[in-house]
Amino acid sequence: DAGVIQSPRHEVTEMGQEVTLRCKPISGHNSLFWYRQTMMRGLELLIYFNNNVPIDDSGMPEDRFSAKMPNASFSTLKIQPSEPRDSAVYFCASSQSRYGYTFGSGTRLTVV
Amino acid sequence: AQSVAQPEDQVNVAEGNPLTVKCTYSVSGNPYLFWYVQYPNRGLQFLLKYITGDNLVKGSYGFEAEFNKSQTSFHLKKPSALVSDSALYFCAVRSMDTGRRALTFGSGTRLQVQP
Repeated sequence: DAGVIQSPRHEVTEMGQEVTLRCKPISGHNSLFWYRQTMMRGLELLIYFNNNVPIDDSGMPEDRFSAKMPNASFSTLKIQPSEPRDSAVYFCASSQSRYGYTFGSGTRLTVV
Repeated sequence: AQSVAQPEDQVNVAEGNPLTVKCTYSVSGNPYLFWYVQYPNRGLQFLLKYITGDNLVKGSYGFEAEFNKSQTSFHLKKPSALVSDSALYFCAVRSMDTGRRALTFGSGTRLQVQP
């Protein structure tokens, strides 16, 4: 079991550019979560999917952020256009049941 | 709405001494409670969870946590701290009784174990 796989591990981009973060959940897990971690706000839920369907996107900061889950093995989080305040570590997690949540290693995003 | 409070930004303890990291929660209905640990530049690693049953939950690396329903608390404990336990610890909650599956995290507590 390779765990939850996120790519890239690090991303540095210029303000205004489009950024796409990727996540491959654990096979068989039917829920997927995107979190953002910053010093100021801690760990915030951005969006989560159940059976590939977005259930709660109330944490998505604004329309610049979008997330998709086209199939059970892949999800993307896109920021367009990116801004310096989007700099953070973005985590993806997946879950099969109410009992277990596995996190990826995260993507550290720096927008300059 | 669900929330978690970790009242201490940092806890300092000497190696070999017992440690406690505090957590209180608010949730609709009954809670599922979790503790995760984060080492520098790493993701979150699962330590332990409370689902139901015995209020004292044992987890990885010698950690345990005690669920107290009346005080809505789920404090993390370890009888004898190690320097290698130094890390950032997060408490998290979700409701057992609603359909919402996402965890809500506390702000984190940095544990520093001195040699």
